[in-house]
Amino acid sequence: RKEVEQDPGPFNVPEGATVAFNCTYSNSASQSFFWYRQDCRKEPKLLMSVYSSGNEDGRFTAQLNRASQYISLLIRDSKLSDSATYLCVVNRAGSSNTGKLIFGQGTTLQVKP
Amino acid sequence: DAGVTQSPTHLIKTRGQQVTLRCSPKSGHDTVSWYQQALGQGPQFIFQYYEEEERQRGNFPDRFSGHQFPNYSSELNVNALLLGDSALYLCASSLESGESRDTQYFGPGTRLTVL
Repeated sequence: RKEVEQDPGPFNVPEGATVAFNCTYSNSASQSFFWYRQDCRKEPKLLMSVYSSGNEDGRFTAQLNRASQYISLLIRDSKLSDSATYLCVVNRAGSSNTGKLIFGQGTTLQVKP
Repeated sequence: DAGVTQSPTHLIKTRGQQVTLRCSPKSGHDTVSWYQQALGQGPQFIFQYYEEEERQRGNFPDRFSGHQFPNYSSELNVNALLLGDSALYLCASSLESGESRDTQYFGPGTRLTVL
C-alpha cells in the first residue's frame, strides 16, 4: 500500500463546476500537509498548505482530518486554467530537519468549456 | 528573488554512462532535496542535503549520490545508468529554520532520457 493514496482520475468537469479531490495517508507521524499543482511537463508548484482547521484561498478550500488521516481539496467555479494534476503531499519532518515530502500519484483534472 | 534553478534542462545518455545534474536553491534557502518523477507518477524522494552533508535518503541505490557546496548549490550524480533511470529529476529547496521550514519549492527539473 502506498503511503499517500489519491484517485488518479482523470476528472473531466465543465467550467463552473465544483470538484473535490480526496487523499489518504497511512503514516500517523506525518506532520505537515500540502496540495501541489503540476502542469504538464512542468515542476510541482505549491498550491496551499492544509491545516486541521481548514483553510481557504479564493476558490480553493483544503481540509485535514488527522483522526481519519484524510486530506481534501475543493475547487469551486472551475476555470479552464485549473486543468492540471493535483498532488497530495505529506511531510514527515523530524525534530531537526525539514523532512522529506511524500507525494501521492496525483489526480488529473480536465476542465472543459 | 531568484527561484530554484536546475541545469541542464534535458539530457540524453546511454546505458552504463554517468550523469551529473545541478541545482541552485532559492535565494536564502540552505537545504536541498532531490526527487525522481517517472511518467505518470508522483515525485519520489532521493535524498536531502544540509550543511554539505546527506541528511536523509530514500530507497535509491548507491548509484545515486550527491553533493552540496558551501554556497548551498547541489549536484546529483547517477552512475551506471539504467533504462529505468529515465525520469524528470526535480530539485527542491527549503529553509532549515523558521515558520516555513516544512515548505519546499521546486526547480523546473532536468528531463533525463536513457537509451
